[in-house]
Amino acid sequence: NAGVTQTPKFRILKIGQSMTLQCTQDMNHNYMYWYRQDPGMGLKLIYYSVGAGITDKGEVPNGYNVSRSTTEDFPLRLELAAPSQTSVYFCASSYSTGANVLTFGAGSRLTVL
Amino acid sequence: KQEVTQIPAALSVPEGENLVLNCSFTDSAIYNLQWFRQDPGKGLTSLLLIQSSQREQTSGRLNASLDKSSGRSTLYIAASQPGDSATYLCAVPPPTMDTGRRALTFGSGTRLQVQP
Repeated sequence: NAGVTQTPKFRILKIGQSMTLQCTQDMNHNYMYWYRQDPGMGLKLIYYSVGAGITDKGEVPNGYNVSRSTTEDFPLRLELAAPSQTSVYFCASSYSTGANVLTFGAGSRLTVL
Repeated sequence: KQEVTQIPAALSVPEGENLVLNCSFTDSAIYNLQWFRQDPGKGLTSLLLIQSSQREQTSGRLNASLDKSSGRSTLYIAASQPGDSATYLCAVPPPTMDTGRRALTFGSGTRLQVQP
């Protein structure tokens, strides 16, 4: 049982480049989330999805895009990378909102130079 | 807007001590609260989930309490061990009347170091 799988684990980007962080879960969870964690800070919500075809913005969506074409996959797209997007990104999923335990991926560490 | 605060930001204790981590939240209309553990360079692992109808939840040496009326939760770790060294975060779902935002709000965490 893989849980939530994120790729890549590490990536260095140059300013202005684009990339996609992949997230896959095999638990048939309806809800999926992308958070970013800056050093010494809590997690801030970027985007979330309540099911295939439905996405919504979180606290800090600017500079990011998501899609949810299947229940399993929830990729996060960074367009025109900026140094402010240097962070650790976590994907998570749950069966429903809030009431159930959240399962996290191991994280993707992104550096923009 | 829900805000979650954790004090202290960092804590260092000798092995064997009992300790308490604090979490406070501004909107008490929540239906549960979760405590997570994060090891360096790793993702978050859920430790305990307390429903609003519960006042305490226990797992091994961990005991979490929830006082909605005062907007506080505590995580008690008994007989601390070096393996307990990690960052501990608390998180709450949106207030029950807030149907617009459907994800957890996290505190910034308490970084715990247990000295052997």
